[in-house]
Amino acid sequence: DAGVIQSPRHEVTEMGQEVTLRCKPISGHDYLFWYRQTMMRGLELLIYFNNNVPIDDSGMPEDRFSAKMPNASFSTLKIQPSEPRDSAVYFCASIKNRDRANYGYTFGSGTRLTVV
Amino acid sequence: DAKTTQPPSMDCAEGRAANLPCNHSTISGNEYVYWYRQIHSQGPQYIIHGLKNNETNEMASLIITEDRKSSTLILPHATLRDTAVYYCIVRVPNAGGTSYGKLTFGQGTILTVHP
Repeated sequence: DAGVIQSPRHEVTEMGQEVTLRCKPISGHDYLFWYRQTMMRGLELLIYFNNNVPIDDSGMPEDRFSAKMPNASFSTLKIQPSEPRDSAVYFCASIKNRDRANYGYTFGSGTRLTVV
Repeated sequence: DAKTTQPPSMDCAEGRAANLPCNHSTISGNEYVYWYRQIHSQGPQYIIHGLKNNETNEMASLIITEDRKSSTLILPHATLRDTAVYYCIVRVPNAGGTSYGKLTFGQGTILTVHP
């Protein structure tokens, strides 16, 4: 299994531009999570999906952030317009429902976003 | 989720056991103890979890005190690749609703394994 795959690994963009981060969860996992990590705030949950449906988006900072999961194998996190304070490492994680009591979450390698 | 307290940093010699403590004095009866680690520039990695019995897997051992107010993660033979930030998390694994996905990562313990 290739694990959770995120792209791109690094993204540098100018303030005001649209940024799209991508995630492919592990096949068969029915929960997908987007986290953000900064030095100041640590790891924060932004949003999570169950069977492609958004369940809790209370962690999404503001309307500039949006996330979609059009099918079980793909999710996007979009920031429009981007701002320098959005600079962070964004992680995607997935888990299979029936495993959630017995195993931990599997995280991707993250996308390091820099907004200049 | 119960609050956890971990030392900010620890050192360990390569080949020796690394014992990472975690205090969780407010843990409730249905909360499990989970350990994750984050190697530089990578995503967090699940290590092990337990409720009240000691647990062991291919990566580590978890020792939970009888009163469940503290636990210790043991890496029996630390290698340089074990240098990472180790997070102790206490939560209910099947928590429903909006608390399900919220793994609350504290500051963790920076473990440095040296030759």
